[in-house]
Amino acid sequence: GAGVSQSPRYKVAKRGQDVALRCDPISGHVSLFWYQQALGQGPEFLTYFQNEAQLDKSGLPSDRFFAERPEGSVSTLKIQRTQQEDSAVYLCASSPLFIGRGYTFGSGTRLTVV
Amino acid sequence: GNSVTQMEGPVTLSEEAFLTINCTYTATGYPSLFWYVQYPGEGLQLLLKATKADDKGSNKGFEATYRKETTSFHLEKGSVQVSDSAVYFCALSGGGGNKLTFGTGTQLKVEL
Repeated sequence: GAGVSQSPRYKVAKRGQDVALRCDPISGHVSLFWYQQALGQGPEFLTYFQNEAQLDKSGLPSDRFFAERPEGSVSTLKIQRTQQEDSAVYLCASSPLFIGRGYTFGSGTRLTVV
Repeated sequence: GNSVTQMEGPVTLSEEAFLTINCTYTATGYPSLFWYVQYPGEGLQLLLKATKADDKGSNKGFEATYRKETTSFHLEKGSVQVSDSAVYFCALSGGGGNKLTFGTGTQLKVEL
């Protein structure tokens, strides 16, 4: 596609529920990143994939967070047993291997845990 | 570790005023520096970037110069428009995979 597509756009989850957030990167982009943006804050790095390999997951806040990109294209960020502090906008970004002009970000998924 | 500090907002200006948004950074090595803009209801968009010391990034009338001696990358525009109202994020890339470290963002409001 022309841009990075994320779905759903909005998600309301009850505390304790599991959620799955999807990212469709730009076709052919090797690198894929997930970021978490709390209200009024800048995005914070969660994890990075190069093709299907998860090369850096140092930003995942707990073992309730899990990300995958099994075929090197679409990625899913899963949050198990959601808690209120997980409420944030989750941003996906993709880029060619050599970052050059920088990433292209999706519009994000706004997760609200009630 | 890497960090980015931006001036707090909101910044409110009249149309055609001069804009400066300060950004300083702490990083190991030689990071690339970026300004991203986030318009209401939209995703982050790259505004400009600079990859080495003394480089000047520019786009849509905005400029920023990579100053290694002062570890700064201040955003400037000579004459702002109402359509420039948005949140501006300073960021640097470094480490494996070029992950970005962002500042907290500065909201700009431009009034007629």
